[in-house]
Order: sequence, then C-alpha cells, then structure tokens
Amino acid sequence: NAGVTQTPKFQVLKTGQSMTLQCAQDMNHEYMSWYRQDPGMGLRLIHYSVGAGITDQGEVPNGYNVSRSTTEDFPLRLLSAAPSQTSVYFCASSYSRVAEKLFFGSGTQLSVL
Amino acid sequence: GIQVEQSPPDLILQEGANSTLRCNFSDSVNNLQWFHQNPWGQLINLFYIPSGTKQNGRLSATTVATERYSLLYISSSQTTDSGVYFCAVKAAGNKLTFGGGTRVLVKP
Repeated sequence: NAGVTQTPKFQVLKTGQSMTLQCAQDMNHEYMSWYRQDPGMGLRLIHYSVGAGITDQGEVPNGYNVSRSTTEDFPLRLLSAAPSQTSVYFCASSYSRVAEKLFFGSGTQLSVL
Repeated sequence: GIQVEQSPPDLILQEGANSTLRCNFSDSVNNLQWFHQNPWGQLINLFYIPSGTKQNGRLSATTVATERYSLLYISSSQTTDSGVYFCAVKAAGNKLTFGGGTRVLVKP
C-alpha cells in the first residue's frame, strides 16, 4: 500500500514550457486535490476532484488544468509555465469529499526560470 | 470564504516542555484536521477532529465547534516534534482551507 505517490520530486522548467505533475493513490479514495505551498502563504487549493470524470476549481486555478479519467490518477498540467508557478506542489486524497482525513503525497518542488 | 487563523506563528521550546497551539475559524465547520509538516517537507495527518477531544501519544487535540476554535497540545516535547503545524477546516462545500501554520522548534 503506497498511499499517495507524486512524481517527479524535483523539476526545473523554462518559462513557456509545459509539463504534467503525476499523482496516483491506491486507497480507492473518491476525493483528490492539488495544493501549492508558497512561503508565507500556507497551502492553497488549486483544483480538486470528487470522483472520476468530475473536477472543480479551488482558490488558485489559473494556469493549471486537471482531469480525472480513473479513480487512481489525478494529473496536474501546466500548459505554459510562468515564474509565478515556482512552488512546492502537493497532491492529497481522502476517502470521501466531506468528512474524512486527508492524506498527502511527498510533494514536487518546481522551479520556473 | 472561511478564515483560519493560527497562533502563535512561531514557538521555541526546550525539549521536555509542554505547549498549546490554537486555531480559530470564522464559520461553522464539518471537518477540522491538524497536520504536521516535518523539516523534510512531508505533511502528516495528526487528527481529524471536527468536535470533541482526541489523544494520540503525547499529542492531543480539542475542538470547541460552538466557539469556533481548536487546540493542539504537545506534551513532553521532543526534537522530532519540530516543524510546522497546520490546522485545516471545511465548511459547507468541498474545499479544505488551511491556516498559516505555527512553526515549532524544539531545542535539545
């Protein structure tokens, strides 16, 4: 049981490049989400999903796309990276969307030059 | 949206000391969780506690939902307790909102 797995752990991009951060969970969790963590800003919700085929925006969705084709996977896509997207990204999941403990992946440190 | 404030922002403890961290929130919640982010960046779920009191080893938490606050108690602190402690809450809807965190340093 691996829990929530994120890849890659580190990534450096040039402005304008695109990439996908991968997130997978093996706990059959309905709810999955992406957060970014910036110094002094805490954790802010980017996008979330309450089940396969269902996604919605969080607090800071601009510049990011998501999809949820399977229960297990919830990739985060940066279509045209900007320096403002330099951050640490965390994927998280829980059994349901309402009243369950949230479990985090180990994070991806992204630098956009 | 809901506001979450944590205090104090920073805390320095001598090993063996006890401490209390506070989380205030601005609206009724149906979900409240405490997390510890260790110095390596890993986020660990400590408690799911929308109301009442729970204990896990040297850590315990109490949420008084009617008064819109939660407390995290650390007893007999150890250097491994260092890191940042986050409170997160969810009101109606699907969005878990995080507080700004309390940075704890436990000195040997």
